[in-house]
Amino acid sequence: GAVVSQHPSWVICKSGTSVKIECRSLDFQATTMFWYRQFPKQSLMLMATSNEGSKATYEQGVEKDKFLINHASLTLSTLTVTSAHPEDSSFYICSANRGNTEAFFGQGTRLTVV
Amino acid sequence: KQEVTQIPAALSVPEGENLVLNCSFTDSAIYNLQWFRQDPGKGLTSLLLIQSSQREQTSGRLNASLDKSSGRSTLYIAASQPGDSATYLCAVPRFSGGYNKLIFGAGTRLAVHP
Repeated sequence: GAVVSQHPSWVICKSGTSVKIECRSLDFQATTMFWYRQFPKQSLMLMATSNEGSKATYEQGVEKDKFLINHASLTLSTLTVTSAHPEDSSFYICSANRGNTEAFFGQGTRLTVV
Repeated sequence: KQEVTQIPAALSVPEGENLVLNCSFTDSAIYNLQWFRQDPGKGLTSLLLIQSSQREQTSGRLNASLDKSSGRSTLYIAASQPGDSATYLCAVPRFSGGYNKLIFGAGTRLAVHP
């Protein structure tokens, strides 16, 4: 199956710093990627849709300035959590659709802000 | 508004049992449904994708069925093994803002004990 790679798998950062998470589609081009956030024992919550060559679209309630998304190429999208605070600690997952049908997910990134 | 519900929320069974996980959705105008597996602290692994024109899909010991008219899908796991222990999520796409975004159920946490 298609592969989506997410890096890093976990990160610990100090409060007030910024953290960048990368999402790559390894064997297909993805003009659109999606970023999710998952709290313990809960399902995935869509944060934003990342579009190659244009601005990301954010779901209601998601702070655009807090979660910066850049889709620089057809295989790479990045999510930067700016000025991170402990409440930003969570599990972040990206996905990409191959052929606009089947979705493939990255391995997820566990962010801990101390 | 599309809502996805999964029953049961949790399931604990002895090894060897055949299992049925249920997924229901409120808007039957879907064009596919996807089942995923998530291990603790990991991303999602795509198990089966059923197109709206299909009634079922099979992969190894897994069989997923789809009944669009009644808004239901089931994931059947034959001869369960401890390695099947994970959270199983179903998701349907929702066309919004020009993109197909996935709507997830809350998942079924499965524990298969030896």
